[in-house]
Amino acid sequence: QKEVEQDPGPLSVPEGAIVSLNCTYSNSAFQYFMWYRQYSRKGPELLMYTYSSGNKEDGRFTAQVDKSSKYISLFIRDSQPSDSATYLCAMSGDNYGQNFVFGPGTRLSVLP
Amino acid sequence: EPEVTQTPSHQVTQMGQEVILRCVPISNHLYFYWYRQILGQKVEFLVSFYNNEISEKSEIFDDQFSVERPDGSNFTLKIRSTKLEDSAMYFCASSEFRLTNEKLFFGSGTQLSVL
Repeated sequence: QKEVEQDPGPLSVPEGAIVSLNCTYSNSAFQYFMWYRQYSRKGPELLMYTYSSGNKEDGRFTAQVDKSSKYISLFIRDSQPSDSATYLCAMSGDNYGQNFVFGPGTRLSVLP
Repeated sequence: EPEVTQTPSHQVTQMGQEVILRCVPISNHLYFYWYRQILGQKVEFLVSFYNNEISEKSEIFDDQFSVERPDGSNFTLKIRSTKLEDSAMYFCASSEFRLTNEKLFFGSGTQLSVL
């Protein structure tokens, strides 16, 4: 079983749709959960950051973490063409070394 | 907003040649990292660096790789005797602290092509 799994997509939605992106993981030691957005040929950009289980909202973005199910989600409301990118989940123990792991990413296209 | 800067954005080299990838981390950050992303694959950790020494490195970071902070602002990744499989996007990142309750900031990457 891979440490972090994520549906690679591509996922295409019409502008204005609600997008749901998900990751599952196997390592129960992960405590910090992040979502990064990566545009083509660019570095990952931090979108959302949560600690342990729960929800966090920031504008059109909501991150959910369910540690009991080892499942995290990112919801994007009122999606825009500018949201078209690859979305990477990432998770870690207490530091950014070997224990900081990215998912393979989901490619999202929001069609105008 | 402060950002991590990487140069060059693209590097083409012949197999067996040495390359140096350069990064300028965010000025008040103390921890520096290199990650790589082979086309179509996930971002992978290479090495972390603090106080002029390597804190942690992955299996990928073998003897052909080295890192250095030659002055107060630059952080470099050297790959000696490049191989075809070193072709990837290399990302530099920095954080104020190593703990993941501090955010990690990535540069835009250097696309390395080994021919």
